[in-house]
Amino acid sequence: AQTVTQSQPEMSVQEAETVTLSCTYDTSESDYYLFWYKQPPSRQMILVIRQEAYKQQNATENRFSVNFQKAAKSFSLKISDSQLGDAAMYFCAYRSAWSNFGNEKLTFGTGTRLTIIP
Amino acid sequence: EAQVTQNPRYLITVTGKKLTVTCSQNMNHEYMSWYRQDPGLGLRQIYYSMNVEVTDKGDVPEGYKVSRKEKRNFPLILESPSPNQTSLYFCASFSRTGLNEQYFGPGTRLTVT
Repeated sequence: AQTVTQSQPEMSVQEAETVTLSCTYDTSESDYYLFWYKQPPSRQMILVIRQEAYKQQNATENRFSVNFQKAAKSFSLKISDSQLGDAAMYFCAYRSAWSNFGNEKLTFGTGTRLTIIP
Repeated sequence: EAQVTQNPRYLITVTGKKLTVTCSQNMNHEYMSWYRQDPGLGLRQIYYSMNVEVTDKGDVPEGYKVSRKEKRNFPLILESPSPNQTSLYFCASFSRTGLNEQYFGPGTRLTVT
């Protein structure tokens, strides 16, 4: 079974600075997807960025980028120019590219709470 | 607007009183799933459904039931709720033919006393 580990329960960053959230995962599969979700106080799960394992190029979405190291099974999220609206819980998640009997399950880490300091 | 809706958003109930949390999606997705979120544990899958009348257990199915009689609806049923089912619940839907992204509902905060 796959596991996802987020070793930083809490992080803080000064507004306008850059912060990196860590995520490692364990899998024996070669093809999969990785995601970062943001959960603000409203509790809504918002997809921030996704990475396909077969793509070597790191995904980027505006101020958000990832450092995907497949051999090391590492998938960190970098937030540049941090803004007050970035304050949230961030979850790293894994999904197999080949579902077992159709289960498109997301396996989540335990989350990192990010605080932005004005 | 593409969306997943859940009702109720908040619910406080007592041990043993049957309840249903509804989930509906308007995207014609085949796949739907329920997760529960607990502090320090992240989100864990309860049940999933590949299509109408096809459901199966996820990682933490004990104490829950589901049904999928229509493609758009996937209710979560707690026949006899207990305090350890106090949690935040999310419904999600997905289609492989789309953006390959799971769409989440807004969440239901359930408290069982």
